[in-house]
Amino acid sequence: GENVEQHPSTLSVQEGDSAVIKCTYSDSASNYFPWYKQELGKRPQLIIDIRSNVGEKKDQRIAVTLNKTAKHFSLHITETQPEDSAVYFCAAKTQGGSEKLVFGKGTKLTVNP
Amino acid sequence: DTGVSQDPRHKITKRGQNVTFRCDPISEHNRLYWYRQTLGQGPEFLTYFQNEAQLEKSRLLSDRFSAERPKGSFSTLEIQRTEQGDSAMYLCASTSMVTNEKLFFGSGTQLSVL
Repeated sequence: GENVEQHPSTLSVQEGDSAVIKCTYSDSASNYFPWYKQELGKRPQLIIDIRSNVGEKKDQRIAVTLNKTAKHFSLHITETQPEDSAVYFCAAKTQGGSEKLVFGKGTKLTVNP
Repeated sequence: DTGVSQDPRHKITKRGQNVTFRCDPISEHNRLYWYRQTLGQGPEFLTYFQNEAQLEKSRLLSDRFSAERPKGSFSTLEIQRTEQGDSAMYLCASTSMVTNEKLFFGSGTQLSVL
């Protein structure tokens, strides 16, 4: 089955810097890759997603890139703000097979003012 | 609030007791999922419903766990004979073809088994 590895597990940046979180997946048939943000004690919330027919997607300060050949995808946050501090999870899903999203173990991002 | 709602928010029980959680998905969503999340981990898939049909169940799911969605609207997750290892956050999520696989999560039920 699908396996998703996420790095780093913790990331600390200064306000205004960029942050990059990387994930690799094992199943080459996976075709949907969302990113979720979870603040302490709150529900995971979708912040951006990408499908395998697209190499990059951007939404304001957030962007996701996908390299199907290498089976990895990354989240890029530019001009970080203290409110970006949270745990970020990547996930992968295989089309036409299981309906489940397989999540990485998360990255705790801290943005220092 | 038109989001996914879960009840209760917190549940403390003694080992061996049965517990039941409820999830009300977003009203127009026909797909409903249960996930479990432990501290420092990502959500782990438990089971999936399309309308009232339970179409997928994790192989890791003990037979002490059962889920229902009798009318294709709300869902319940029951854990029988709870064990300390069942302590976790139980998350419900929903989606539909219109939302194109984007999962909307509830706030979860935090279960503590003493």
